Amino acid sequence: SQQGEEDPQALSIQEGENATMNCSYKTSINNLQWYRQNSGRGLVHLILIRSNEREKHSGRLRVTLDTSKKSSSLLITASRAADTASYFCATDVLYNQGGKLIFGQGTELSVKP
Amino acid sequence: ETGVTQTPRHLVMGMTNKKSLKCEQHLGHNAMYWYKQSAKKPLELMFVYSLEERVENNSVPSRFSPECPNSSHLFLHLHTLQPEDSALYLCASSQTQGFIYEQYFGPGTRLTVT
Repeated sequence: SQQGEEDPQALSIQEGENATMNCSYKTSINNLQWYRQNSGRGLVHLILIRSNEREKHSGRLRVTLDTSKKSSSLLITASRAADTASYFCATDVLYNQGGKLIFGQGTELSVKP
Repeated sequence: ETGVTQTPRHLVMGMTNKKSLKCEQHLGHNAMYWYKQSAKKPLELMFVYSLEERVENNSVPSRFSPECPNSSHLFLHLHTLQPEDSALYLCASSQTQGFIYEQYFGPGTRLTVT
């Protein structure tokens, strides 16, 4: 089963509007990360929030984390056409020799000029 | 994508061919990953190498064979693939010490199996 699931699956907004994407997960985490992917390219790390943090900002990005609800949200303010991309949340699983991230299905964001 | 390179960027191969994908990271990380990304499906983790040892193999068919000769290089050897193996194959690296730091991805290899 998916550890991280994003909502909505697709979002279309006008330039200048805010975009909010949500992520839910199932198990305890150490941190939650958000990534961005432009069509057919590799993922780019946007922001990491640790399990003891509730909110984090980076430029036009604001991430919140609610560990009691096992959910996170990514807010992009004053969106631009260049923000058009897929956005993924990822949660970590640790084990003796290493660790891995489990990615959600992603939200496709389209920002129209 | 900075710091992680993948070659080739595009690959077309027949089902009877043998080819290899290469990944190189210049970031001094201790873990490397192979992911498969198919259309309309979430990112699938295939293999994890930590300190050059394979620590994860997510029930990947044996026609995919990973190799990690050192902490900077990762290969994915392909043989007798099926058309459903056509996908974007992404390599990533990260530092893992107590918790997982952000992963840095390469640009991917777009694989088409004919």
